[in-house]
Amino acid sequence: QKEVEQNSGPLSVPEGAIASLNCTYSDRGSQSFFWYRQYSGKSPELIMFIYSNGDKEDGRFTAQLNKASQYVSLLIRDSQPSDSATYLCAVTPVQGGYQKVTFGIGTKLQVIP
Amino acid sequence: EAGVVQSPRYKIIEKKQPVAFWCNPISGHNTLYWYRQNLGQGPELLIRYENEEAVDDSQLPKDRFSAERLKGVDSTLKIQPAELGDSAVYLCASSSASGVTYEQYFGPGTRLTVT
Repeated sequence: QKEVEQNSGPLSVPEGAIASLNCTYSDRGSQSFFWYRQYSGKSPELIMFIYSNGDKEDGRFTAQLNKASQYVSLLIRDSQPSDSATYLCAVTPVQGGYQKVTFGIGTKLQVIP
Repeated sequence: EAGVVQSPRYKIIEKKQPVAFWCNPISGHNTLYWYRQNLGQGPELLIRYENEEAVDDSQLPKDRFSAERLKGVDSTLKIQPAELGDSAVYLCASSSASGVTYEQYFGPGTRLTVT
């Protein structure tokens, strides 16, 4: 089982719709969770992080964390064509007394005008 | 605030040649990471530094890869000799240990092509 699992997509949504991106993780002790956006040919850009159960909202973005079910999701409201990118989920499991970050393969999002 | 700086942005070399990448992290960030990202994959950690100490290099292919961060600021990643399978984007990231979530900020990356 991979430490961080994401569906590679592509996930296609019409402009103005809600895009829902999901990520599951294997280490129940994971503490911090990140969503990065990566445009084609560019480096990852941090857009959200969450470490408590529940929802965290930032503008059109909402991160949801459910530690009991070991999943984290990212909702993008009012999706725009400029949101078309690959969204990487990253998790910090706790190993050996220090933290490292493990990335999923990313979900490609396509917002159709 | 200046971001993470990497150079070169692109590099094309023949197999068996050496290559080096340079990274300067965000000022004040004591943690530095080198990642390799293959097409269609997420970044994979090669090495992580806390100041000048390499605290996680378990994924670094030590027979051909080496890294250093002598003064705890900028860092160099070297491959010698390069192989065809080393073609990838090499990303540098940094974070501040003062935070609890260790959010990382990435540089633009170096796209390496080995022919």
